[in-house]
Amino acid sequence: GAVVSQHPSWVICKSGTSVKIECRSLDFQATTMFWYRQFPKQSLMLMATSNEGSKATYEQGVEKDKFLINHASLTLSTLTVTSAHPEDSSFYICSARPTPRTSLSSYEQYFGPGTRLTVT
Amino acid sequence: ELKVEQNPLFLSMQEGKNYTIYCNYSTTSDRLYWYRQDPGKSLESLFVLLSNGAVKQEGRLMASLDTKARLSTLHITAAVHDLSATYFCAVYNTNAGKSTFGDGTTLTVKP
Repeated sequence: GAVVSQHPSWVICKSGTSVKIECRSLDFQATTMFWYRQFPKQSLMLMATSNEGSKATYEQGVEKDKFLINHASLTLSTLTVTSAHPEDSSFYICSARPTPRTSLSSYEQYFGPGTRLTVT
Repeated sequence: ELKVEQNPLFLSMQEGKNYTIYCNYSTTSDRLYWYRQDPGKSLESLFVLLSNGAVKQEGRLMASLDTKARLSTLHITAAVHDLSATYFCAVYNTNAGKSTFGDGTTLTVKP
């Protein structure tokens, strides 16, 4: 159990276009999902916390109009990078925290495999 | 603001040797995580430590937590090449409902 998927696993897009990344918890429900960005040889930086049915909470310095997050259900959150630029090229990782109603530990965050975005 | 410091940032060690990675954090927390990341991959959960004095072991890795000292350690025993990876600690901020990651320790185990 506790599998989180991301789609796509990698994407190349042209500057100025928008890209949507999906994060799904496959075998559990997640009230909260997190979106991280990781540049090469750096740590994970939290971009936003997404709660099902409510607006995402963005970290300081993250443009909410550029990185649109939608958490429409207990198993799906999406991150849309709008008007992407080369500096948005990065490894985007989501994680999901199980709801208390599941048999999984609500202390854990289960990470997706990541999406590598390259903007040309 | 919660700050998390890991050291060392880079560690090169020979197979068979022991070493410890340290994770210091700046404010009170009741939850600390250790993760492993292989190049080009996402995170793999290693340990979650939930209380002062907690110790967990899995194979050649052992993690401990001292909440009073705000310190966690990840001890590597008799390192093998397969342990080469980057290891992150992450400290959970209960009030904020989120974790802050350390900078990571890149471990290279040489024959």
